[in-house]
Amino acid sequence: NAGVTQTPKFQVLKTGQSMTLQCAQDMNHNSMYWYRQDPGMGLRLIYYSASEGTTDKGEVPNGYNVSRLNKREFSLRLESAAPSQTSVYFCASSDTGRLYNSPLHFGNGTRLTVT
Amino acid sequence: QQQVKQSPQSLIVQKGGISIINCAYENTAFDYFPWYQQFPGKGPALLIAIRPDVSEKKEGRFTISFNKSAKQFSLHIMDSQPGDSATYFCAASWDTGGGNKLTFGTGTQLKVEL
Repeated sequence: NAGVTQTPKFQVLKTGQSMTLQCAQDMNHNSMYWYRQDPGMGLRLIYYSASEGTTDKGEVPNGYNVSRLNKREFSLRLESAAPSQTSVYFCASSDTGRLYNSPLHFGNGTRLTVT
Repeated sequence: QQQVKQSPQSLIVQKGGISIINCAYENTAFDYFPWYQQFPGKGPALLIAIRPDVSEKKEGRFTISFNKSAKQFSLHIMDSQPGDSATYFCAASWDTGGGNKLTFGTGTQLKVEL
């Protein structure tokens, strides 16, 4: 059982380049999330999708777009990468989005460096 | 304000000792307080969680103490082991009407020494 799978694991981009981070879950969860993790700042929510067909902004959405491709997949796109987007990106999923009875399951992250 | 303040930033404990990590919040709408554990190169994983209607929850060596009036909660790790060395995040959740959002503390790096 793979859980939440993120690809790629590592990526180096030059300023201005674009890329898409992929996330897939095999737990039949309804809700999916994208977080970024930076030293001393914890994890901050970028975007989330409460259910297939819906997406909503989190705390730090600027510079990002998302697509909930189907129930399994939720991608994060950087249209024009900036050094400030150097971070570790985590995808997570929850069965119902009611976190007290359906906790978040995280992938192992994508480590992105923008030079 | 959707913030959770976590301290200390780092912690070194001797094997067998007690590790204590503290968090504080302001928003009384928070209704769920989980702790996540993260090992290097891995994603965070749920460790233990509490709802605000109880003051303490214990699972093995891990205990959450919750003080609703002070708006503080803490993680206690009893008999700390080298395998507990990891980064710990407190978090707080609130209901948006369409599901819960989670806001995280800034993390505590715990090192348990032999």
